[in-house]
Amino acid sequence: NAGVTQTPKFRVLKTGQSMTLLCAQDMNHEYMYWYRQDPGMGLRLIHYSVGEGTTAKGEVPDGYNVSRLKKQNFLLGLESAAPSQTSVYFCASSRDPRSVYEQYFGPGTRLTVT
Amino acid sequence: DAKTTQPTSMDCAEGRAANLPCNHSTISGNEYVYWYRQIHSQGPQYIIHGLKNNETNEMASLIITEDRKSSTLILPHATLRDTAVYYCIVRSANQAGTALIFGKGTTLSVSS
Repeated sequence: NAGVTQTPKFRVLKTGQSMTLLCAQDMNHEYMYWYRQDPGMGLRLIHYSVGEGTTAKGEVPDGYNVSRLKKQNFLLGLESAAPSQTSVYFCASSRDPRSVYEQYFGPGTRLTVT
Repeated sequence: DAKTTQPTSMDCAEGRAANLPCNHSTISGNEYVYWYRQIHSQGPQYIIHGLKNNETNEMASLIITEDRKSSTLILPHATLRDTAVYYCIVRSANQAGTALIFGKGTTLSVSS
């Protein structure tokens, strides 16, 4: 099993450009999450999905959109990138967290917006 | 979720046991204690979790006090690869779709 993979690993954008981050998991997990991590801060939840075709907002959703068209994939979109979105983005997945399952994280995508 | 308190940093000699404490004095009855770690530049990694009994797996042991107000993560034979930030997280089982709340954690430095 590859676990959770993220594409791309690194990206530099100019202000106003758009891009999509792809997360894929091969563990048949129902739940998927997008977090961002900034220096000196913990992870903050952007959006999450409880199943194929569903998405919900997390703690810091502004400026991002997501889609979960297939169970194994969770896409994070930035329509008009801003320097404040420079961060490391982590995707995670889990079985139903109501059953106390752990979250599995991907390796991260380092995004710089200039 | 109950708040957790961890020391900012700890040092450990390679081959020795690393004991990482966590205080969670406001934990409620249905909240579990989870431990994750994040090695530099990598995604967080699940280590272990428990409710009230001590737990052990291939990575570590988790000791929870009888009153559940604190716990200790034990890495029995620390290696250089265990150098990481360790996060203690308290979370209810009934939180569908909610984030894990990662605080500042404890930076463990293992040296030879």
